[in-house]
Amino acid sequence: QQPVQSPQAVILREGEDAVINCSSSKALYSVHWYRQKHGEAPVFLMILLKGGEQKGHEKISASFNEKKQQSSLYLTASQLSYSGTYFCGTEGGRETSGSRLTFGEGTQLTVNP
Amino acid sequence: DGGITQSPKYLFRKEGQNVTLSCEQNLNHDAMYWYRQDPGQGLRLIYYSQIVNDFQKGDIAEGYSVSREKKESFPLTVTSAQKNPTAFYLCASSLETGPSQPQHFGDGTRLSIL
Repeated sequence: QQPVQSPQAVILREGEDAVINCSSSKALYSVHWYRQKHGEAPVFLMILLKGGEQKGHEKISASFNEKKQQSSLYLTASQLSYSGTYFCGTEGGRETSGSRLTFGEGTQLTVNP
Repeated sequence: DGGITQSPKYLFRKEGQNVTLSCEQNLNHDAMYWYRQDPGQGLRLIYYSQIVNDFQKGDIAEGYSVSREKKESFPLTVTSAQKNPTAFYLCASSLETGPSQPQHFGDGTRLSIL
């Protein structure tokens, strides 16, 4: 089942922070985050596995709460280059999904000067 | 440089015609995937393959077919049975299927109906 992302869209000024959420109705083994700029291929950001650890990538970090079946992506001090559509991809583990990702519909992030 | 190459970048299909989208990778990855993306929507899995000569249906396999005769190649055929083929098609690969493997994407093929 497709994970639900929120918000659907967000507009920021450069330097502001944002949080993007990804929720699933099924138990999750891992959550992947990707960013896609218009007309381009999605680019991998990070993977979070069961265990609730938080990961970071420059000023972009994420958390994974397996009990709540949720992940959140945190963008701090946003830059113009952060603009794009952010997708979460979820995996329930080999026994439930055959080791493949189900992607959310995406969150469109726009950073203005 | 290693990567995934999709061709062509743009493709037009006539009614009743089958078309084949190419996907080649030189990353030595075992797993390969095909996704369909419609405007303003997420990626939906069409087919995936974990090893040569083996592949599994994804969520929207009807009207599509694939083959995996070589590790580096995973072509997708959009058949005439696919009544609404207009979309952006993305090919991806990962070192192996599994929860800890990031997927690397090609630049996509945009398919339209003439």
